[in-house]
Parts: sequence; structure tokens; C-alpha cells
Amino acid sequence: DSGVTQTPKHLITATGQRVTLRCSPRSGDLSVYWYQQSLDQGLQFLIHYYNGEERAKGNILERFSAQQFPDLHSELNLSSLELGDSALYFCASSLAGTAYEQYFGPGTRLTVT
Amino acid sequence: GIQVEQSPPDLILQEGANSTLRCNFSDSVNNLQWFHQNPWGQLINLFYIPSGTKQNGRLSATTVATERYSLLYISSSQTTDSGVYFCAVPNPNDYKLSFGAGTTVTVRA
Repeated sequence: DSGVTQTPKHLITATGQRVTLRCSPRSGDLSVYWYQQSLDQGLQFLIHYYNGEERAKGNILERFSAQQFPDLHSELNLSSLELGDSALYFCASSLAGTAYEQYFGPGTRLTVT
Repeated sequence: GIQVEQSPPDLILQEGANSTLRCNFSDSVNNLQWFHQNPWGQLINLFYIPSGTKQNGRLSATTVATERYSLLYISSSQTTDSGVYFCAVPNPNDYKLSFGAGTTVTVRA
């Protein structure tokens, strides 16, 4: 158990819908990262928050947004869902930035039908 | 960004065999992580190894940062070692981890 929690574990929804994925980092970690793992793209970085502030964006679609709240949990919002958004979404946390080990949550498996 | 290459892409082992997985990266890094993704999709941290050698049970890893590669050794493999092994390094500017494509290991009883 990494100490990072993600909910829900599985999500099945229809095209055009909106979903919210939730992540709670390890106790004491200030950084939260979101990654997407799809069959054709591998593991791709989406976005990084540090202590409530956005620090870096990867290839995150405009239909996707995220935020980190004062209690440091984070939410990833996916809207206008398409079939190609079906993937495993991971949240990771670390103490601070690049020099620190990232720990991954169990992931949320999203299926868009 | 940093390019990460892993080899071999696939590895089939008989239980009890030893193996070596390789990770090459294109730029200087200040850390490197190895992960095991099990058949249920969970990403398990194996090693955080910016340089040098570390051991954890039957697994060990060595990173030679100056030559931009890392090796993961699996000894006396067991069926529970099956899964995909990823190495990942951070981009210096944005802290994101760049992952290799992974090595899929299948251990047969």
C-alpha cells in the first residue's frame, strides 16, 4: 500500500458525460501528479500540483481540468468524454519536487462506452 | 523531454531463472525509479535509485548516471514476478516522470 488513495476504482460512463476522479496523497506529501495510461500511448503525464498551485502541464486536453484543495487532495475532471479517453488514470504524490520519489495510487479505470 | 528506452520489450522466464532488464535515458537525471505493474494494474515502487546499487530481496538495481543507464536484476524468478517493469526519470524543468515503454516479464512455472 503506497498510502495514496484514489476513488473510484472503476468508472463506466457514456460519451459526452463528465466525471470526477479523486486522489488523496500520502500524509505529508505536498505534490500531486496525474498520469494517464492508455494502450496506445503508454504512461503519460497530465498535470502537477504543488501545495495547491499548478506547477506543470503535460499533454492534458482542454476538456480535462484539475485542482488541488487546501487539504491537499486533488480532483481530475474529465468532460465531454470520448471513447479514446478510456484509460487507467493514476495519481501520484511526492514530498516536493523532482528529487523526491513519487508514489502511485491504485488508479481509476475509466471506460467510456 | 527526456527519452527513456527499455529493453528487452518482452521476456519469458522459467521459474528460478535470473534476468536483467535495461533502461537507457537521454539526459542527465537526478533520480530514477523502477516500478512493477502487476496484472491488476497497480504500479508498485521497486527502487528509487539516482545512482549506485540497491538490493531488495531477490531484486536489485544499479544506476550508472554518468553513462545514462540503469539495470534491474531479478534473481530466482517466481511466477509472482510476472507483469510489466517500468523505469521512469524526471524532466528537470517540470518534475514530470517520463516512462519507458516497459518490459513485459512472464515467469512460467
